[in-house]
Amino acid sequence: GIQVEQSPPDLILQEGANSTLRCNFSDSVNNLQWFHQNPWGQLINLFYIPSGTKQNGRLSATTVATERYSLLYISSSQTTDSGVYFCAVVDTDKLIFGTGTRLQVFP
Amino acid sequence: GAGVSQSPSNKVTEKGKDVELRCDPISGHTALYWYRQSLGQGLEFLIYFQGNSAPDKSGLPSDRFSAERTGGSVSTLTIQRTQQEDSAVYLCASSLSQGGYGYTFGSGTRLTVV
Repeated sequence: GIQVEQSPPDLILQEGANSTLRCNFSDSVNNLQWFHQNPWGQLINLFYIPSGTKQNGRLSATTVATERYSLLYISSSQTTDSGVYFCAVVDTDKLIFGTGTRLQVFP
Repeated sequence: GAGVSQSPSNKVTEKGKDVELRCDPISGHTALYWYRQSLGQGLEFLIYFQGNSAPDKSGLPSDRFSAERTGGSVSTLTIQRTQQEDSAVYLCASSLSQGGYGYTFGSGTRLTVV
């Protein structure tokens, strides 16, 4: 099956800093998504981005499908951005999740 | 309902006991997924139901785990003879169609085996 790896595993930032999270996947995909899991455990879909670039407020994502990676950019980070960020790809109709990046933003 | 509902939210059980976890998906969602998240880890796929098709059970870790989905709606995940390594958060998600689009996750059931 497809392998999904994320880096870095942990990230600590001060409020206002920018960051880049990376997702590498082992095979070609036509469906890649980014999720945020807040400190209370709730998972929220951020982006559906099989290719190209999308932006939503302070967050943006870019997927280069031919090189099998995706990047999530967080600008001007806030304490509410804390949590775990997962990328996920579709393998046989179900999402396979990466290992996650745990982000902590301090005031 | 408005979202995916899971019950109970917390469950503490003794080693060796059986447990049942319930998931009530969004009305009309044909696809339903179960995942397991151990402490500090990612989401591990367990099982996937799509309409009336045979479920994809490829992620179930052992034959102590089983799941059913009655009437294409509510799903129950059953763990028999629980072990301490079964302690985790069990997450359910549903979507309107197959292909991994439009997942909505429930809040999960935190299972602790003592």
